[in-house]
Amino acid sequence: AQTVTQSQPEMSVQEAETVTLSCTYDTSESNYYLFWYKQPPSRQMILVIRQEAYKQQNATENRFSVNFQKAAKSFSLKISDSQLGDTAMYFCAFMNYGGATNKLIFGTGTLLAVQP
Amino acid sequence: DGGITQSPKYLFRKEGQNVTLSCEQNLNHDAMYWYRQDPGQGLRLIYYSQIVNDFQKGDIAEGYSVSREKKESFPLTVTSAQKNPTAFYLCASSAQGSLSYEQYFGPGTRLTVT
Repeated sequence: AQTVTQSQPEMSVQEAETVTLSCTYDTSESNYYLFWYKQPPSRQMILVIRQEAYKQQNATENRFSVNFQKAAKSFSLKISDSQLGDTAMYFCAFMNYGGATNKLIFGTGTLLAVQP
Repeated sequence: DGGITQSPKYLFRKEGQNVTLSCEQNLNHDAMYWYRQDPGQGLRLIYYSQIVNDFQKGDIAEGYSVSREKKESFPLTVTSAQKNPTAFYLCASSAQGSLSYEQYFGPGTRLTVT
């Protein structure tokens, strides 16, 4: 069974600085997707970034980028130039590609506080 | 605008009563999902449906039921058999066959049972 582990329950960063959130996962599958979702205080889940396991190049979306280490089963999220609006719970999630269902398996989340 | 709506935002019920949470989408997505979120835990899958009139149990289906009579709608009933129903419930949908398999989430319903 696949599992996703986020070992940092809470983190804090100063505005305009860079922060990295950690995520590790366990799977025997070779084809899968990895996601980072953001859940602000409104509790709306928002997709931040997506990585296909078959792609070696790390995904980037503006100030958000990932460090995908397939052999180590690690998928960290880097937020550059942190903004107050980045304050949220961040969830790492795994999806088996081509499986019977597009089931997302979530980590327990990291609560990020951006300080002014 | 296209999206997913969940109503109501907050729901209160007495113990022993069944309650139905609404989820509607106008994204023309085939697949729909229900997740439960508890403090300190990630989202856990309750039920999912990949096509109208078909649905499957997720990881924590006990005490819940669903129906999928229309493509746009996937209501979740929390029955009195659910031992700990107080939680935040999120509905999601995705386009089958999409390369991204991205799931889009609704705003959620906070259910409190006393």
